[in-house]
Amino acid sequence: DGGITQSPKYLFRKEGQNVTLSCEQNLNHDAMYWYRQDPGQGLRLIYYSQIVNDFQKGDIAEGYSVSREKKESFPLTVTSAQKNPTAFYLCASSRSYNEQFFGPGTRLTVL
Amino acid sequence: DAKTTQPTSMDCAEGRAANLPCNHSTISGNEYVYWYRQIHSQGPQYIIHGLKNNETNEMASLIITEDRKSSTLILPHATLRDTAVYYCIVRGAGGTSYGKLTFGQGTILTVHP
Repeated sequence: DGGITQSPKYLFRKEGQNVTLSCEQNLNHDAMYWYRQDPGQGLRLIYYSQIVNDFQKGDIAEGYSVSREKKESFPLTVTSAQKNPTAFYLCASSRSYNEQFFGPGTRLTVL
Repeated sequence: DAKTTQPTSMDCAEGRAANLPCNHSTISGNEYVYWYRQIHSQGPQYIIHGLKNNETNEMASLIITEDRKSSTLILPHATLRDTAVYYCIVRGAGGTSYGKLTFGQGTILTVHP
């Protein structure tokens, strides 16, 4: 089955802890993206990567970090510097400028 | 990327056509119109996109006006499973717009039995 997987579906962390969200795709897509969604709002771009070992900040990158060591994987770390980390996090991938395919999302709650 | 305006919510009877409008009056010549939808607590799903010609696929039809300042997404026979938030997005083909989808509030479509 081709697609994008995100794990876990639900994640709970204590305030002040860093947490890493997983995103894997087997679609052979070059580009991958991380978005954040707050209740009742649209998605906002955190980071994106067009190619392995390269990534760019999106609109709300502060408090987040990413890596792209493999084409299939684009993990997102939510650091303690992120002021309001509780949100729904969505990963997506695309082939060049084409439509993006989204994963099922990870709902992060910081207690 | 150009800004879009959509109604906050719409209703549709099951089996009828759902017509979702979108205004994008500041769209430029190389910007595409994309439609995605998001069912509650899931990732968005791509529906269709177009530049200036009308487009149709197995999910929907996209009608873009001749001046490209507005478009309509048509779900020809809405079902209860089409209840979702529908996002109209205008996106450039490259450069600094690479990959960036700007999601607004979207339209909440509710399909009734």
